[in-house]
Amino acid sequence: NAGVTQTPKFQVLKTGQSMTLQCAQDMNHNSMYWYRQDPGMGLRLIYYSASEGTTDKGEVPNGYNVSRLNKREFSLRLESAAPSQTSVYFCASIKLQGALGFTQYFGPGTRLTVL
Amino acid sequence: GNSVTQMEGPVTLSEEAFLTINCTYTATGYPSLFWYVQYPGEGLQLLLKATKADDKGSNKGFEATYRKETTSFHLEKGSVQVSDSAVYFCALSSTGANSKLTFGKGITLSVRP
Repeated sequence: NAGVTQTPKFQVLKTGQSMTLQCAQDMNHNSMYWYRQDPGMGLRLIYYSASEGTTDKGEVPNGYNVSRLNKREFSLRLESAAPSQTSVYFCASIKLQGALGFTQYFGPGTRLTVL
Repeated sequence: GNSVTQMEGPVTLSEEAFLTINCTYTATGYPSLFWYVQYPGEGLQLLLKATKADDKGSNKGFEATYRKETTSFHLEKGSVQVSDSAVYFCALSSTGANSKLTFGKGITLSVRP
């Protein structure tokens, strides 16, 4: 069980370039999430997918697009990168636990720098 | 809307000291409350959680009690170790919120030998 995996781990882009961050989970979870982490800001939700075939905006969706390719994979795309998108990006998935609520599992993160 | 407020950091303690990290929240309904820990260079890991008022979550010597009357979920540990050095995040999830989490800003804990 690899849990939640993300690629790449590090990336440097120039302003205006595009790229896709990949995320996969092997725990058969329905819901998946993309967050960004910035100093002093905590984690902020970019997009989420409650189930295969659905996606919804989170708190900070501008400048991003997502694709829920299948139940395992949830990718995040930056069409035209900006320096304000320099951040650490985390993917996560949810295990529902009935009356116990849920547990969210996080990937190791992708550190993105936009010059 | 939902919000989580954590005490300002960073916090530096000596090994075996008592730790308290304050967390208060604003939410509609009856949220679930969480503490996550992030070790250097890693993703977040669930430390403990509580799903209803007066529940106490505990793990690895850490404890937090869901206090609805004071809308708080303070994290405590009786004797910290150097290995506890990390960033700690308080978070909540409201019922019917598609299991979305609202995070506090996080606080960095450094424990010196």
